[in-house]
Amino acid sequence: GPKVLQIPSHQIIDMGQMVTLNCDPVSNHLYFYWYKQILGQQMEFLVNFYNGKVMEKSKLFKDQFSVERPDGSYFTLKIQPTALEDSAVYFCASSLKGLEQYFGPGTRLTVL
Amino acid sequence: GDSVTQTEGPVTVSESESLIINCTYSATSIAYPNLFWYVRYPGEGLQLLLKVITAGQKGSSRGFEATYNKETTSFHLQKASVQESDSAVYYCALGDREGNTGKLIFGLGTTLQVQP
Repeated sequence: GPKVLQIPSHQIIDMGQMVTLNCDPVSNHLYFYWYKQILGQQMEFLVNFYNGKVMEKSKLFKDQFSVERPDGSYFTLKIQPTALEDSAVYFCASSLKGLEQYFGPGTRLTVL
Repeated sequence: GDSVTQTEGPVTVSESESLIINCTYSATSIAYPNLFWYVRYPGEGLQLLLKVITAGQKGSSRGFEATYNKETTSFHLQKASVQESDSAVYYCALGDREGNTGKLIFGLGTTLQVQP
């Protein structure tokens, strides 16, 4: 089936630094999402993106977070600056019509 | 708020036994909820197992089925006879309808271990 790729699979970074998580969505999809999962907790919605704009963001999507998809390339999640509580697995998803979402394998972010 | 509660795992069953993983939801801000079961097999990413977008309907895939019960706000996952290859983590999820935000609200996940 359609694949969503995420790069890197694991990122270790010092607190306060910037990090960019990359997502390569399914090629013809129009809706893009980021979810965050802390170990032992539920996967939680962060943000969704359509037509070049953020449609909805949760309270977890702090001011230090931003998303973009320049020129139809990677869909990125940038965190600047990072904090210890940002350590989690981040999942990207894409969807053609906003109903059925296809997920990537996740990027494990460790903030030291 | 909107939430999903599902059977706490791990759930261990023997091959060829029946399975039920309970899922109940609360959809206070979603007028027309869609319900999903996702699965993560060992070493793989999350993938959609089945979905139902109309209350009262049943979805099925790979021998699994789930019925969207609006009265009891439930969407239990069932299989009559499990196989060892069904060992995975199963997630119940609640979503908004197509064309709206599309965000999904997940349960904690239920780890299923099928013993040979």
